[in-house]
Amino acid sequence: EAQVTQNPRYLITVTGKKLTVTCSQNMNHEYMSWYRQDPGLGLRQIYYSMNVEVTDKGDVPEGYKVSRKEKRNFPLILESPSPNQTSLYFCASSFAGGNSPLHFGNGTRLTVT
Amino acid sequence: AQSVAQPEDQVNVAEGNPLTVKCTYSVSGNPYLFWYVQYPNRGLQFLLKYITGDNLVKGSYGFEAEFNKSQTSFHLKKPSALVSDSALYFCAVRDEYSTSNTGKLIFGQGTTLQVKP
Repeated sequence: EAQVTQNPRYLITVTGKKLTVTCSQNMNHEYMSWYRQDPGLGLRQIYYSMNVEVTDKGDVPEGYKVSRKEKRNFPLILESPSPNQTSLYFCASSFAGGNSPLHFGNGTRLTVT
Repeated sequence: AQSVAQPEDQVNVAEGNPLTVKCTYSVSGNPYLFWYVQYPNRGLQFLLKYITGDNLVKGSYGFEAEFNKSQTSFHLKKPSALVSDSALYFCAVRDEYSTSNTGKLIFGQGTTLQVKP
């Protein structure tokens, strides 16, 4: 089944403790992206990747890192999480090209205390 | 700059009645437009897209959307609503001239659709 898989689904952590949220897609998509969803703010892009070893900042990249060493994986790294990073995170992927829809994972709900 | 507006936070409709969820957009060039649905504790699911051509686009689960270039709108419609359609709906746009981040979608704030029996 074609899908985007994120792990974990739920994560509670403390301020400053490094964490990684994994994302994997099995559709051979070139493009991958991370979004965060917050009430009243909709979805905002954190980072994106056009292909292997090509990553760039989205609209809200502060406090996050990503890597794209393989085409299928695009982990999101929080080196020193803070409470304002408490949010619902989505990984998404698509083929390159403007008319390709994004395919989303089921989300990771992160709470930072 | 690209932007999307969904003017209604919530839409209430009775089961069996037609529904409309509104969306307006702003882009520099021709738009690529999308509708997504989000059920509780799930990711966004793609419903339909407009690229070019017919102004009425048909998608999944009986949904359709009407593209109106002069009004820069892309309203989501369904002739007969079901209780199971209750969810959060997002409109999104991508500018055909957005070459630096060709995958980036700009999302509206979302509209909660509540269908009552």
